[in-house]
Amino acid sequence: NAGVTQTPKFQVLKTGQSMTLQCAQDMNHEYMSWYRQDPGMGLRLIHYSVGAGITDQGEVPNGYNVSRSTTEDFPLRLLSAAPSQTSVYFCASSYSRPLLTGGSEQYFGPGTRLTVT
Amino acid sequence: GENVEQHPSTLSVQEGDSAVIKCTYSDSASNYFPWYKQELGKRPQLIIDIRSNVGEKKDQRIAVTLNKTAKHFSLHITETQPEDSAVYFCAASRSGGSNYKLTFGKGTLLTVNP
Repeated sequence: NAGVTQTPKFQVLKTGQSMTLQCAQDMNHEYMSWYRQDPGMGLRLIHYSVGAGITDQGEVPNGYNVSRSTTEDFPLRLLSAAPSQTSVYFCASSYSRPLLTGGSEQYFGPGTRLTVT
Repeated sequence: GENVEQHPSTLSVQEGDSAVIKCTYSDSASNYFPWYKQELGKRPQLIIDIRSNVGEKKDQRIAVTLNKTAKHFSLHITETQPEDSAVYFCAASRSGGSNYKLTFGKGTLLTVNP
């Protein structure tokens, strides 16, 4: 298994440009999510999905769009890049769990380092 | 929503000493508490987790304790080694509704000095 893969590893954008960060997993996980990591801020949830066709907003969704057409893929789109979106982006996936047992281990991708100038 | 506070932000210990990192959470319905380790330039990886029906869990040199009444949980690393140097994140989530939304603390940079 490749696990969770992300492309690209590095990207430089100019303000106002758009792009899509790709995320794929081959573990048949129902749950997928996107985080951004900034120094001293921990990991903040951008968007998440509990299955194909179902997405929802996390803590910092503004400026980002997602869709989930398949179980395997969960792309993150930056509509009009801004310097404030300079960050490291991690995609993660996990099995869903029935009610009462809480969450389960999230497997992270290697990350995408994005710089917006 | 959930809020997770983590302390300290940095921790320096001598090799062989113990290290303790503490987290508090705000949502009394949270029932899953994982800890992730992130080495420099790498992805976060789960090292241990605990569910609300358990008060303590151990895995070799690592242990986690949970106090639901006080809404805090802690990571304990004994006999620290230089390879334990990393950033450690605590997190919390709850079942139902917005299930699987993990809220992370801001991290603790642990340095183990040889």
